[in-house]
Amino acid sequence: DGGITQSPKYLFRKEGQNVTLSCEQNLNHDAMYWYRQDPGQGLRLIYYSQIVNDFQKGDIAEGYSVSREKKESFPLTVTSAQKNPTAFYLCASSLSSGSAGNTIYFGEGSWLTVV
Amino acid sequence: QKEVEQNSGPLSVPEGAIASLNCTYSDRGSQSFFWYRQYSGKSPELIMFIYSNGDKEDGRFTAQLNKASQYVSLLIRDSQPSDSATYLCAVFKAAGNKLTFGGGTRVLVKP
Repeated sequence: DGGITQSPKYLFRKEGQNVTLSCEQNLNHDAMYWYRQDPGQGLRLIYYSQIVNDFQKGDIAEGYSVSREKKESFPLTVTSAQKNPTAFYLCASSLSSGSAGNTIYFGEGSWLTVV
Repeated sequence: QKEVEQNSGPLSVPEGAIASLNCTYSDRGSQSFFWYRQYSGKSPELIMFIYSNGDKEDGRFTAQLNKASQYVSLLIRDSQPSDSATYLCAVFKAAGNKLTFGGGTRVLVKP
């Protein structure tokens, strides 16, 4: 089945730890995105990537890092510098960016909780 | 001013009625507009997109775009209890190459 796979679905992080959320897509999409959603809130863009080996900061990039070594993969690392990381994290992809009518599809999301 | 604004709701509608959701955006350079539905604890799923002024219909859903007034709306006809969810408006602009979301409107359809 084609789609976007995020793992793990649930993750617990201790204070001071870095954690990495995985995102893999087999849709042959060029662009990939990471969003964060807090309870009762909309989605905020963390990072996005239009092509391999290139990515840009979104609106709330501080405390996060990404890599795009392969077209299919766009992992997100939540570092210890992110002071309030408890949230629902959504990975998304689209065929390309920068064009009207572009459509973003989402993975199932990962819940991160700080303990 | 937020880039994309929605009334948080909840918008309560009786079963079978029309639900009307509104979204305003601040950047006149915005090119395309999306409506997503999100059930509690789940990821958003695309309902439809629109990029030309006027109406676009898809089944029970109609999106309406008015670029001069900078708003986009979503009508849900014959609302069903299964339509109870949060509806997210998203706006895309080529400058910056990103999709910006509103905070969402929670809809409750009562039997």
